[in-house]
Amino acid sequence: GNSVTQMEGPVTLSEEAFLTINCTYTATGYPSLFWYVQYPGEGLQLLLKATKADDKGSNKGFEATYRKETTSFHLEKGSVQVSDSAVYFCALNFGNEKLTFGTGTRLTIIP
Amino acid sequence: GAVVSQHPSWVICKSGTSVKIECRSLDFQATTMFWYRQFPKQSLMLMATSNEGSKATYEQGVEKDKFLINHASLTLSTLTVTSAHPEDSSFYICSARTGGVYEQYFGPGTRLTVT
Repeated sequence: GNSVTQMEGPVTLSEEAFLTINCTYTATGYPSLFWYVQYPGEGLQLLLKATKADDKGSNKGFEATYRKETTSFHLEKGSVQVSDSAVYFCALNFGNEKLTFGTGTRLTIIP
Repeated sequence: GAVVSQHPSWVICKSGTSVKIECRSLDFQATTMFWYRQFPKQSLMLMATSNEGSKATYEQGVEKDKFLINHASLTLSTLTVTSAHPEDSSFYICSARTGGVYEQYFGPGTRLTVT
């Protein structure tokens, strides 16, 4: 079956540090890939997505590139802010099928 | 656009009672809605998928008689936790999708505490 593996957290960084959250997937075929963010006490928000190999999703300074050869979709940001503190979920799906989520990575940014 | 709301945002109920959670798509027609359960510090577990006017499809291991899902209209789905027990305490999140669009839009979640 399909699965998503994320780096385990929690991750704690200082403000303006570089962020990488690793995500790899296992799937038959080429799924769409997503990063969702969940701020404290809230539901999930779509952060970015990529639907085919070599696509780069970007939003709010975050980027992730769909790497078919390494089946990865790592999330990066060059300079994090305190407001980026949240839980980040990597996910995949095929077409209109259900989303498969990773376990989530809790990120805390300290001033 | 693409806003999904949930009501209530939090609820406390006594063991043995039932509680209903509403999920509404505010500015689009949701042909498909999904219900997830999230345990503390863990990922989302899909409970069921519902299409408007059809019976919900439950994931393996989810008791359909305990978690009743109704997708009565294109803007409303409800999850009823029947005969709730403390182990049902969790954060329940719904999402919605409109036909032809694969992206899911998530509600803010409902925290259920069963005492």
